[in-house]
Amino acid sequence: DAGVTQSPTHLIKTRGQHVTLRCSPISGHKSVSWYQQVLGQGPQFIFQYYEKEERGRGNFPDRFSARQFPNYSSELNVNALLLGDSALYLCASSLVPQWGYTFGSGTRLTVV
Amino acid sequence: SQQGEEDPQALSIQEGENATMNCSYKTSINNLQWYRQNSGRGLVHLILIRSNEREKHSGRLRVTLDTSKKSSSLLITASRAADTASYFCAPREGAQKLVFGQGTRLTINP
Repeated sequence: DAGVTQSPTHLIKTRGQHVTLRCSPISGHKSVSWYQQVLGQGPQFIFQYYEKEERGRGNFPDRFSARQFPNYSSELNVNALLLGDSALYLCASSLVPQWGYTFGSGTRLTVV
Repeated sequence: SQQGEEDPQALSIQEGENATMNCSYKTSINNLQWYRQNSGRGLVHLILIRSNEREKHSGRLRVTLDTSKKSSSLLITASRAADTASYFCAPREGAQKLVFGQGTRLTINP
């Protein structure tokens, strides 16, 4: 049974560009969350979706947006990239939001 | 949602020794979860302890929870090199987001 899969694994973008990161949750999991982890820090919450509805948003600018599709996969979009957006972006899914989450291996985004 | 505070920030021990790390939080919880992160990888869910539980075991892991002190501890017995990682706690009040602190960086020396 596949775990949480994220694509791409690595990405290099230029300042000002736009990026789309993708996440496929574990089959049957309806809750998906996104996290940003800067080197040396703990993961910071960006978005939570459950049953295709946004259930939470972290303290990130409007350049960050996300959505969840009918098959529960999710996309994270970041516009007008800044150098400070360079980070590991993690997706996590859960059968029930109160329970444990399964994380993907992340997408390493580098903005130059 | 609330953030757990892990302590110590860094811990270095010899292989075979036990490692203990602590987590403190501020308000009431439904459960508390521990996660491990190997360098540059995704987090792995280790164990969930409910607010009505005081201790839980999983293999070489032992987690305790003291709701009166709003604290939890994670004990790893007979440590191995593969246990080298960062460890995070996540106190949960409900279905809100997981909030992570800085974590404890554990290094197991051969």
